[in-house]
Amino acid sequence: DTAVSQTPKYLVTQMGNDKSIKCEQNLGHDTMYWYKQDSKKFLKIMFSYNNKELIINETVPNRFSPKSPDKAHLNLHINSLELGDSAVYFCASSQVQGNTEAFFGQGTRLTVV
Amino acid sequence: QKEVEQNSGPLSVPEGAIASLNCTYSDRGSQSFFWYRQYSGKSPELIMFIYSNGDKEDGRFTAQLNKASQYVSLLIRDSQPSDSATYLCALKTSYDKVIFGPGTSLSVIP
Repeated sequence: DTAVSQTPKYLVTQMGNDKSIKCEQNLGHDTMYWYKQDSKKFLKIMFSYNNKELIINETVPNRFSPKSPDKAHLNLHINSLELGDSAVYFCASSQVQGNTEAFFGQGTRLTVV
Repeated sequence: QKEVEQNSGPLSVPEGAIASLNCTYSDRGSQSFFWYRQYSGKSPELIMFIYSNGDKEDGRFTAQLNKASQYVSLLIRDSQPSDSATYLCALKTSYDKVIFGPGTSLSVIP
């Protein structure tokens, strides 16, 4: 039973399109994240939600909009996709209380053509 | 100063040697430190965590933390070709954000 699952695994789309990536965790964690990993493999945090509330919003274009319907789900919607959005997007979750690590989904490889 | 820094590598070691990976950080209030391993095309997976100053050993892996120097390291003893991967240093900051360093690419040569 997958702890953090995200769909789709691969996404190829044209510039200007709007797309969504879904993420669900069954670990009972309070916090969920979206990370972007670029071609240089640097894993950069984009957003963090704690119990459905946005707590971290890094310098990300407002074309990216996270949505958390409940604390087990954090979806990422991207409007007007650009070539530079091509990357691997990882969803992760962790427990806020205590010193716990982040668990990752399998990643979504987004390719904008 | 970047929040988490690592040598990007690549670091090459012969099979059976000790691989030493280093990480420095800027947020003095950080309390939790993690080492993740990421194989090409896969998601990061946790291999070690450390919260207190000193050493923590788990099998062939030893994590070392020095909060005064804002330094954390990972030693891999008896390195195996299967250890070849990118190693990501991560920490939970004083404001509960889990952030990552740029990663060190390790290659273990048979």
